[in-house]
Amino acid sequence: AQSVTQLDSQVPVFEEAPVELRCNYSSSVSVYLFWYVQYPNQGLQLLLKYLSGSTLVKGINGFEAEFNKSQTSFHLRKPSVHISDTAEYFCAVSLIYNQGGKLIFGQGTELSVKP
Amino acid sequence: DAGITQSPRYKITETGRQVTLMCHQTWSHSYMFWYRQDLGHGLRLIYYSAAADITDKGEVPDGYVVSRSKTENFPLTLESATRSQTSVYFCASHNALAGGVLNNEQFFGPGTRLTVL
Repeated sequence: AQSVTQLDSQVPVFEEAPVELRCNYSSSVSVYLFWYVQYPNQGLQLLLKYLSGSTLVKGINGFEAEFNKSQTSFHLRKPSVHISDTAEYFCAVSLIYNQGGKLIFGQGTELSVKP
Repeated sequence: DAGITQSPRYKITETGRQVTLMCHQTWSHSYMFWYRQDLGHGLRLIYYSAAADITDKGEVPDGYVVSRSKTENFPLTLESATRSQTSVYFCASHNALAGGVLNNEQFFGPGTRLTVL
């Protein structure tokens, strides 16, 4: 079975500071990896995804993530955050083959950017 | 409206009542999903559907029923609502290839906030 652990439930940070949101996963088979963002009272929006190839993935809004297979991690980073980045962030995995692409989510990390 | 929509956006009901949450997508995506979001649990899969008339259970299916008579609609019914079903419900879809899967990127609706009193 697969599982996803987001290591921080809340991350407070000051505006223009760098941030890292940590995600570890467990799976005996190959997976795709995703980061989604949820702004208040909205649905989830894809930030970035890792399918194959380069382990450094760039997404929208200046975010990037690095896939580390040996550490089974997919941490999300941004060098300088803005107030508008305040949201909940979800890491998710899905199996590459079959099962219809069901996503397994982590518990979420609430990013709070303070002025 | 293009995309994926959910209705109602907010619903208050009482224990024991039947409630149906609607989900509609305009992309003709084959796969559709229902998740519930609860604090500390992230999103958990309730049911999913690979195509019209093909549905399967997810992680937390008890107390829920789904149907999919048309590709674009995927309603979720709580046959007898309980307080533990108070949650935010998200519908999602993705564009899988026939016989395979692209990249499993799912597109989410805006959610329905359900309160069971």
